Amino acid sequence: KQEVTQIPAALSVPEGENLVLNCSFTDSAIYNLQWFRQDPGKGLTSLLLIQSSQREQTSGRLNASLDKSSGRSTLYIAASQPGDSATYLCAVRDLSGNTGKLIFGQGTTLQVKP
Amino acid sequence: EAGVAQSPRYKIIEKRQSVAFWCNPISGHATLYWYQQILGQGPKLLIQFQNNGVVDDSQLPKDRFSAERLKGVDSTLKIQPAKLEDSAVYLCASSLGMSREADTQYFGPGTRLTVL
Repeated sequence: KQEVTQIPAALSVPEGENLVLNCSFTDSAIYNLQWFRQDPGKGLTSLLLIQSSQREQTSGRLNASLDKSSGRSTLYIAASQPGDSATYLCAVRDLSGNTGKLIFGQGTTLQVKP
Repeated sequence: EAGVAQSPRYKIIEKRQSVAFWCNPISGHATLYWYQQILGQGPKLLIQFQNNGVVDDSQLPKDRFSAERLKGVDSTLKIQPAKLEDSAVYLCASSLGMSREADTQYFGPGTRLTVL
C-alpha cells in the first residue's frame, strides 16, 4: 500500500530565504508525482508534475526533483516571498490499477515572514 | 474557462443529521473525484466516476456515504447520518480522463463541513 510522507509539517522562514520541502513515498512504482499548493479556504492548485521518467521540473522560482529509486521528491523554492505562504502537498499516482487516483501526503505549512 | 464549482462552501450540522454537497466539473471532463480532507491531513479519495459509472469507491464508508453522477455531469455526495468524525473539507476534482495524458486534476474550492 502506497504511503506518502512530508517533512516538516510546518516551516517558518524569513523573506528571501531559499527553502526545500521534502516528500517520500513507499512504493517506487509510480506514474507521476505532483506538487500542489493549498491556500486557506481554497482548493488545490497544481504547481509542478513530474513524470516517472523525469528527474526534475522547473517553473519560475520553483524546482521539483524526483528520485524514484529512493522514493523521494523535493520542492525547492528560491528567494521566498510572503505570498508563498500556504500549505504544500505532494501526491503520487501509482501503478496499482489505472484509475488516476492520487495519494497525498499530509502537507507542509509554510509561513514566509516579511 | 470556468473551474470546478462546489456548493455550499460551508455547512454546520448536528450529528445524526443528513447533508448533501454538489459539484459541477469543468465542461467536457469525463472523470470526477470526491476527496475528504480532515484538518492536518492530505486529501483522501472517497469515490471516482468515469462519466456516470463508479471507478473506485473502495474508501467510501458506504453505510453512511453515497454519491451519484447522473447524466455524467454534476455530482452529489450525501452523508446520512453524519458523525463527528465526518467534520472535514470535501473537495471535488475533475479531469479530462484517466489516461496519463489526460489525468491532470482540477480542484474546486471545497465544502467545509462541521458536525456538532
